[in-house]
Amino acid sequence: QKEVEQNSGPLSVPEGAIASLNCTYSDRVSQSFFWYRQYSGKSPELIMSIYSNGDKEDGRFTAQLNKASQYVSLLIRDSQPSDSATYLCAVRVVDFNKFYFGSGTKLNVKP
Amino acid sequence: GAVVSQHPSRVICKSGTSVKIECRSLDFQATTMFWYRQFPKQSLMLMATSNEGSKATYEQGVEKDKFLINHASLTLSTLTVTSAHPEDSSFYICSAAFDQETQYFGPGTRLLVL
Repeated sequence: QKEVEQNSGPLSVPEGAIASLNCTYSDRVSQSFFWYRQYSGKSPELIMSIYSNGDKEDGRFTAQLNKASQYVSLLIRDSQPSDSATYLCAVRVVDFNKFYFGSGTKLNVKP
Repeated sequence: GAVVSQHPSRVICKSGTSVKIECRSLDFQATTMFWYRQFPKQSLMLMATSNEGSKATYEQGVEKDKFLINHASLTLSTLTVTSAHPEDSSFYICSAAFDQETQYFGPGTRLLVL
């Protein structure tokens, strides 16, 4: 079983809609959770980090963490074509001091 | 966010030569740096983790004698691909973490071995 799992997509949403990206992780001492965005041919850029259960909002982005369900999600409100990219979920496992990345979900926002 | 640079951004070399890639954290001291490789349309693959002043920890299946990592200071790590071959052609990305909580990625180095 992979440490971090994401649906590869593509996820297609119309412009202005809410895009919902999901990620599940293995049962380890996972401490920190991150969402990165990667445009084609570019390196990943950090969107958000979340450490505790609940929601964390930053502009159009909301990260949601549910440790009991081992589930972290990213909501993008008012999706724009410029949001079209691959979104990577990452989990830091404290006992190994390692970061594990999902394979990414490709998002297409259609004008 | 924090700034991490990589140099060169793109390199083309002949098979059998060695290539050095530099990764610098520009506005913070990185306690840990990571090196990743990404083939087209595939996910990031962690190659190794390096801490300043100590030997890098390589992931299973990554040849440490082929991919030499040096983390000489808190702001600089280098990856040397020794005796590069066409199958080593890939997108190499470094990242740096200063609080062991968050990684910031460099812009990546595209390597093409002819």
